[in-house]
Amino acid sequence: GAVVSQHPSWVICKSGTSVKIECRSLDFQATTMFWYRQFPKQSLMLMATSNEGSKATYEQGVEKDKFLINHASLTLSTLTVTSAHPEDSSFYICSAREPGGKAGYTFGSGTRLTVV
Amino acid sequence: RKEVEQDPGPFNVPEGATVAFNCTYSNSASQSFFWYRQDCRKEPKLLMSVYSSGNEDGRFTAQLNRASQYISLLIRDSKLSDSATYLCAVNSESSNYKLTFGKGTLLTVNP
Repeated sequence: GAVVSQHPSWVICKSGTSVKIECRSLDFQATTMFWYRQFPKQSLMLMATSNEGSKATYEQGVEKDKFLINHASLTLSTLTVTSAHPEDSSFYICSAREPGGKAGYTFGSGTRLTVV
Repeated sequence: RKEVEQDPGPFNVPEGATVAFNCTYSNSASQSFFWYRQDCRKEPKLLMSVYSSGNEDGRFTAQLNRASQYISLLIRDSKLSDSATYLCAVNSESSNYKLTFGKGTLLTVNP
């Protein structure tokens, strides 16, 4: 079945630094990937839709200059949290949609970011 | 109004109980509907897609009511291993197929 690999699984970084999260579709081509953020006891909130070869579409309230998304190939999308602050600490999850696939959307295993 | 609203829960039920989850959605153009299960600190995993005619998978039954814009999930004979957060999700072609989730309902099945 469709597999999406997300790295790293967890990361601890200092305030002011940047963190890059990678999401790869391993056995299918994902023209569109979605990035979500989930705070404790909250639902998954869509941050942006990443389109291969074009600019990402950000949801209202999400700063595009802070959360940089690059989708340079059909199998890789990256999210960079720039100048991270403690309030950015969250669980970040990517998802890829496999058109016509039975699973519909395949999720990465998530990245738990802690900013200290 | 939120795009997807879900029973807040939490639900605490004994083993063997039947439990139902409900979600309503605001976008009448929504096309696809799903129920996901999420374990603590893990990614969501697809439990079932929801079809117009309703569908069943073992102890799980999903229903869709387009007129009233709600979906439901019924779990029969609940097991300890069913303890998790259940999230409904919808998408539409007009929104570039982005998947919008409900807040999730925590289910705890007790021995």
